[in-house]
Amino acid sequence: GENVEQHPSTLSVQEGDSAVIKCTYSDSASNYFPWYKQELGKRPQLIIDIRSNVGEKKDQRIAVTLNKTAKHFSLHITETQPEDSAVYFCAASMGGSARQLTFGSGTQLTVLP
Amino acid sequence: DAGVTQSPTHLIKTRGQHVTLRCSPISGHKSVSWYQQVLGQGPQFIFQYYEKEERGRGNFPDRFSARQFPNYSSELNVNALLLGDSALYLCASSLAPTGDGYTFGSGTRLTVV
Repeated sequence: GENVEQHPSTLSVQEGDSAVIKCTYSDSASNYFPWYKQELGKRPQLIIDIRSNVGEKKDQRIAVTLNKTAKHFSLHITETQPEDSAVYFCAASMGGSARQLTFGSGTQLTVLP
Repeated sequence: DAGVTQSPTHLIKTRGQHVTLRCSPISGHKSVSWYQQVLGQGPQFIFQYYEKEERGRGNFPDRFSARQFPNYSSELNVNALLLGDSALYLCASSLAPTGDGYTFGSGTRLTVV
């Protein structure tokens, strides 16, 4: 089955700096890659996603890049703010008749004021 | 517009007991998926249901079962509880089984003692 590895496990940045979180996946059949933000005690919330026919997608301060050949994808957050502090999870999913997400182990992002 | 609702929010059970967790999807969403999130890890896929049929099953023992009702709500049942079943159980809904943009509920925190 699919295996997703996520790095780093913890990341501290100064407010205003950029943060980058990287994930690799094992199954070349995976074609959908969402990123979720989970604040302490709350539900995971989708922040951005990308399909395998696209190399990059941006939404304001957040961007995701995908390298299908290398089987890795990354989350980029620019101009970080304290409210960006949370655990971020990447995930991968194959096509077919169901949407089964395989999640990475998470990155605890701390934005220092 | 209500999001995905789960009940109960917290639950304490004894080893060997049975538990039933409930989920109501967003209005109009016909697909419901269940995930288990152990503390400090990413969510792990358990089941996906669409139109009352199982569309996917993760690597969980037969003690775990689920069903979906005509109104698209769903139940997750776990028999013969083990200490290792202690986790946050998340329900997610989407319009279709292959739909992007899963929306997660806030989860049920199950503690097995």
